Amino acid sequence: QKEVEQNSGPLSVPEGAIASLNCTYSDRGSQSFFWYRQYSGKSPELIMSIYSNGDKEDGRFTAQLNKASQYVSLLIRDSQPSDSATYLCAVFSGGYQKVTFGTGTKLQVIP
Amino acid sequence: GAVVSQHPSWVICKSGTSVKIECRSLDFQATTMFWYRQFPKQSLMLMATSNEGSKATYEQGVEKDKFLINHASLTLSTLTVTSAHPEDSSFYICSATSGGMGYGYTFGSGTRLTVV
Repeated sequence: QKEVEQNSGPLSVPEGAIASLNCTYSDRGSQSFFWYRQYSGKSPELIMSIYSNGDKEDGRFTAQLNKASQYVSLLIRDSQPSDSATYLCAVFSGGYQKVTFGTGTKLQVIP
Repeated sequence: GAVVSQHPSWVICKSGTSVKIECRSLDFQATTMFWYRQFPKQSLMLMATSNEGSKATYEQGVEKDKFLINHASLTLSTLTVTSAHPEDSSFYICSATSGGMGYGYTFGSGTRLTVV
């Protein structure tokens, strides 16, 4: 079992719709969770971090964390073509003292 | 916000030569920096964790004698790919955190290495 799992996609949504990106992780001791956006050929860019159960909203982005289910998600409201990118889920494990990245979900927002 | 500068952004070198990549934290002190490698359409793979003033910690399967890491100061870490081969061609990215372990990491812009 991979430490951090994401559906590779592509996930296609029409412009203006809500995009829902999901991630599961295996280490129950994981403490910190991050969503990064990576455009093709570019480095990842941190867009959201979440540390406790529940929802965290920042503009059009909402991160959701459920530690009991070992599940973290990212919702993008009013999706724009500029949101088209690969979204990486990253999990920090205190036990291993390192951040592990998922393989990423490619999002395509169709105009 | 935290800014990490990485240089060069791309480099082409001949097989057998060495290449140095620099990673600098511009507006914060990074006691720990990380080096990743990313092959096309794959995720980031952590190569090593670099701590200022001490030896780097390499992930399993990463040759420490081939990928030399030097964290000379709180703002500078370098990765040297020695005796590069075509299979070393990849996207190398450094990152650092200003908030300590467990907080969000800022990434450098990455270095595209092509070995011919």
